[in-house]
Amino acid sequence: AQSVTQLDSQVPVFEEAPVELRCNYSSSVSVYLFWYVQYPNQGLQLLLKYLSGSTLVKGINGFEAEFNKSQTSFHLRKPSVHISDTAEYFCAVSVGITGGGNKLTFGTGTQLKVEL
Amino acid sequence: GAVVSQHPSWVICKSGTSVKIECRSLDFQATTMFWYRQFPKQSLMLMATSNEGSKATYEQGVEKDKFLINHASLTLSTLTVTSAHPEDSSFYICSARVRRGGYNEQFFGPGTRLTVL
Repeated sequence: AQSVTQLDSQVPVFEEAPVELRCNYSSSVSVYLFWYVQYPNQGLQLLLKYLSGSTLVKGINGFEAEFNKSQTSFHLRKPSVHISDTAEYFCAVSVGITGGGNKLTFGTGTQLKVEL
Repeated sequence: GAVVSQHPSWVICKSGTSVKIECRSLDFQATTMFWYRQFPKQSLMLMATSNEGSKATYEQGVEKDKFLINHASLTLSTLTVTSAHPEDSSFYICSARVRRGGYNEQFFGPGTRLTVL
């Protein structure tokens, strides 16, 4: 079975500063990796995903993530955050035969708090 | 495109009553939908996989008789919490799966907050 670890439950950062949210996964087979954002009392919105190909994945709102197979990591980064980025961020993994997108296993989430 | 709605967005009910939550894919058909629950400040936990025209597949530890799932059409899945108790209070989120570019992507609804008094 696969699992996801988000080491930081909360990450405070000042506006316009860079941020990295860490995600490590465990799986015995190839995985598909995702980052989702959740605003208060809302569902999840996909930020970006890694399915195959380039290990550097660019998503919406200026976020990007890099898949590192040797370190089993998929850290999320943004070079300059905005107040509106304050939200909960979830890393997720799925194991698929072809195409992926099957059952998602989520990490425990990281609360990003952007301060002025 | 790929919009998923949930109704109601929030509901308060008395202990012992049943509550039905609807999940609809508005602009696409979804043969598979998923139901998650999320406790405060915790992650999403998959409860069950809802398949159109067949029985839902429940995750280990989820009571199928308590959480009834019906996926009667390609655009609608319902979750009924039967005989709800305060410990069932949670945020319930559905997602609908659609195939895009060789990949099955999940699109999430906005969630339903259930409070059982």
